[in-house]
Amino acid sequence: NAGVTQTPKFQVLKTGQSMTLQCAQDMNHNSMYWYRQDPGMGLRLIYYSASEGTTDKGEVPNGYNVSRLNKREFSLRLESAAPSQTSVYFCASSEPTGLNTEAFFGQGTRLTVV
Amino acid sequence: LAKTTQPISMDSYEGQEVNITCSHNNIATNDYITWYQQFPSQGPRFIIQGYKTKVTNEVASLFIPADRKSSTLSLPRVSLSDTAVYYCLVGPGRDSNYQLIWGAGTKLIIKP
Repeated sequence: NAGVTQTPKFQVLKTGQSMTLQCAQDMNHNSMYWYRQDPGMGLRLIYYSASEGTTDKGEVPNGYNVSRLNKREFSLRLESAAPSQTSVYFCASSEPTGLNTEAFFGQGTRLTVV
Repeated sequence: LAKTTQPISMDSYEGQEVNITCSHNNIATNDYITWYQQFPSQGPRFIIQGYKTKVTNEVASLFIPADRKSSTLSLPRVSLSDTAVYYCLVGPGRDSNYQLIWGAGTKLIIKP
């Protein structure tokens, strides 16, 4: 019962470094999402992918890129990390043809940029 | 997109029924109402979704009045483990996760 798996769980980067956050789901969902959550705030959508091969910008895409590698995997890349990108990142997936639009979330990646 | 307003925090006691009300005055005809729960250091978890009247599942009930300008999440007989942040979201259609606007939610604290 893995659901949505994110790696790594924790990461510290220096300003200017790059990294890729990995996300995989085993529920055969078409839609996948990347969010960030700052302390005391709700989630903000960075990018989403409605299906394999498609990606679209969300509310806060600047400084990020994504790749929908296949139906299972959706990665988020920070090309040049900045302190403002310190946050908790969540990946999620959902199936738009389901009974409801329940989104399943991973455990999150806590990223600190120093 | 309809904006939602919910209390910042609430307290209750074990064994009580808790009702969290969410206001969404600008809800559109095709909007659905969805509630999520989030524990510290975890991703949100779906609780319930509805369009009108009452929806019930194994963990909660969702009451939506006829004008749909508000909704109430009802948690029966809460326990300490129900301490979490609860988010009310409104979005068009059933498949609108990419359009949902997440507010700060309601921090519910259950006391023994």
